[in-house]
Amino acid sequence: DGGITQSPKYLFRKEGQNVTLSCEQNLNHDAMYWYRQDPGQGLRLIYYSQIVNDFQKGDIAEGYSVSREKKESFPLTVTSAQKNPTAFYLCASSINRAGYTFGSGTRLTVV
Amino acid sequence: GQQVMQIPQYQHVQEGEDFTTYCNSSTTLSNIQWYKQRPGGHPVFLIQLVKSGEVKKQKRLTFQFGEAKKNSSLHITATQTTDVGTYFCAHNFGNEKLTFGTGTRLTIIP
Repeated sequence: DGGITQSPKYLFRKEGQNVTLSCEQNLNHDAMYWYRQDPGQGLRLIYYSQIVNDFQKGDIAEGYSVSREKKESFPLTVTSAQKNPTAFYLCASSINRAGYTFGSGTRLTVV
Repeated sequence: GQQVMQIPQYQHVQEGEDFTTYCNSSTTLSNIQWYKQRPGGHPVFLIQLVKSGEVKKQKRLTFQFGEAKKNSSLHITATQTTDVGTYFCAHNFGNEKLTFGTGTRLTIIP
């Protein structure tokens, strides 16, 4: 079945550490996105990529970095510069601005 | 920035009652999408509306796009416990990235 796989499902990070969240899709979608969701809140866009080797900052990119070396993969790194990283991170993909397909998310907690 | 306001923020209904959530924009929208997120889950795409005055139905769900393309609504008839979750509207203002509304959290009282 086609879809988006995010890993890990739960991640614990110590203060000052960088962590990388994985996102892989086999839908052959060109565009991929990273959103952050805080408890009881909506989704805010971190980064997005419309084609391989190209990506743009979203509304809350500070403290995050991404890469898009392959069409199928769009990993997100949460750096130590992100002051409040505890959140639910959602990866999505789309084609031709149609409905987004989301992964099941990664819950990141700073300990 | 361009924003879409979604109301209400929370809605508690008795099972079997109807439910409606609204999205309102100060500017014309090129399209509107609706998503459902179950508690603890991820958003799932429901539908996209593009045309002025468009109405689409999915079983007990009715989606409308306003004539001026500045507002949209999602109406659920005779709610069931499976309808529990947060409903988001979303749009892209002429570019690729999707901006989400704040969501309406629906809880059902059995």
